[in-house]
Amino acid sequence: DAMVIQNPRYQVTQFGKPVTLSCSQTLNHNVMYWYQQKSSQAPKLLFHYYDKDFNNEADTPDNFQSRRPNTSFCFLDIRSPGLGDAAMYLCATSRAAAFNNEQFFGPGTRLTVL
Amino acid sequence: AQRVTQPEKLLSVFKGAPVELKCNYSYSGSPELFWYVQYSRQRLQLLLRHISRESIKGFTADLNKGETSFHLKKPFAQEEDSAMYYCALNNDYKLSFGAGTTVTVRA
Repeated sequence: DAMVIQNPRYQVTQFGKPVTLSCSQTLNHNVMYWYQQKSSQAPKLLFHYYDKDFNNEADTPDNFQSRRPNTSFCFLDIRSPGLGDAAMYLCATSRAAAFNNEQFFGPGTRLTVL
Repeated sequence: AQRVTQPEKLLSVFKGAPVELKCNYSYSGSPELFWYVQYSRQRLQLLLRHISRESIKGFTADLNKGETSFHLKKPFAQEEDSAMYYCALNNDYKLSFGAGTTVTVRA
């Protein structure tokens, strides 16, 4: 089945220790998104790639970076995780249709910062 | 700026009772609205979209531009409807989510 895969599903890191989360897709979608979702809150868009073009949200901290080496993969790098960065991180993809733009979500990576 | 408001954080109904989840939006153009659902320990997934005017799992949602609303309704709730529901507005390939409503259907 075509899908969005995230690895690892659970990640524990230490305060200040860089961490990388991975997302891959078999849908061949040209847009990939990263969301942060804290407990009992809505997903918050951090940034997205439209093909190779990176689009950062205005309020995304500089601590968060992303890489998209090819169509299938996208990475979220947190350079110096703080306690406030503990959250579920969701990856999503879409075809970037002008209308009816459904997004397909991965299962998420739960990040714990010690 | 676009905004999506879901006024109810929690909604509890009995099995077989009607359920309605409220969603209001603000958007300057022609809105494209979705309802996403997240069942326990499952990924966030699309439930329905306003453009399709379809019924999914017994749920319907009608876009009311005059009231800027996109409420989700089901006439007879089932226990398997217990989940988190998000209303979302699409703008230039990006989704703005409401805060979400947790629905609990009691037997």
